[in-house]
Amino acid sequence: NAGVTQTPKFRVLKTGQSMTLLCAQDMNHEYMYWYRQDPGMGLRLIHYSVGEGTTAKGEVPDGYNVSRLKKQNFLLGLESAAPSQTSVYFCASRRGTGGLKQPQHFGDGTRLSIL
Amino acid sequence: AQKITQTQPGMFVQEKEAVTLDCTYDTSDPSYGLFWYKQPSSGEMIFLIYQGSYDQQNATEGRYSLNFQKARKSANLVISASQLGDSAMYFCAMREGQAGNQFYFGTGTSLTVIP
Repeated sequence: NAGVTQTPKFRVLKTGQSMTLLCAQDMNHEYMYWYRQDPGMGLRLIHYSVGEGTTAKGEVPDGYNVSRLKKQNFLLGLESAAPSQTSVYFCASRRGTGGLKQPQHFGDGTRLSIL
Repeated sequence: AQKITQTQPGMFVQEKEAVTLDCTYDTSDPSYGLFWYKQPSSGEMIFLIYQGSYDQQNATEGRYSLNFQKARKSANLVISASQLGDSAMYFCAMREGQAGNQFYFGTGTSLTVIP
């Protein structure tokens, strides 16, 4: 019953460092998403993927890159971390079939601090 | 313009009372889905309830129900018989059928249940 697993759960970086956040889902979902959550701003979409090998930009993509080399994994990269990227990051996935009613299933989040 | 608007940053309710959390949305797509999520202090996002634009009846799931008023573009969440465990952030979200892939989230409402 793993669902959506995010690694790591916490991380502290220095400005300019790079890192990759890993999202893994075991539900065979086609769609995967990366969000950031900041106080008072809800969830904002960074990038998403509609299937293996495909990615697309969301609302706030600048400073981030993503890759979906395997269907079950969706990686979020920060090439040169900035303090403005301090946030809680959520990964989500959903089925590609079954219509509009398919909800997103979320991981537990990654709390990232950039000093 | 915001796709999803939640105008109540914080709400209080007495235990065992009912509470309504407001959500209005903006879309020109005739086909859309509306979702509510709960985020307790532990941080995970929990799917609560779904309402489709073509659904004839208001959605219900246990103590959760949706007051869906299509003409007013509102989809308010009603929690009946509030419990202490209902204290959490609540997010309204929408996915538009024809545009397809993205979910739009509101800024959330913080609900506190008072014993």
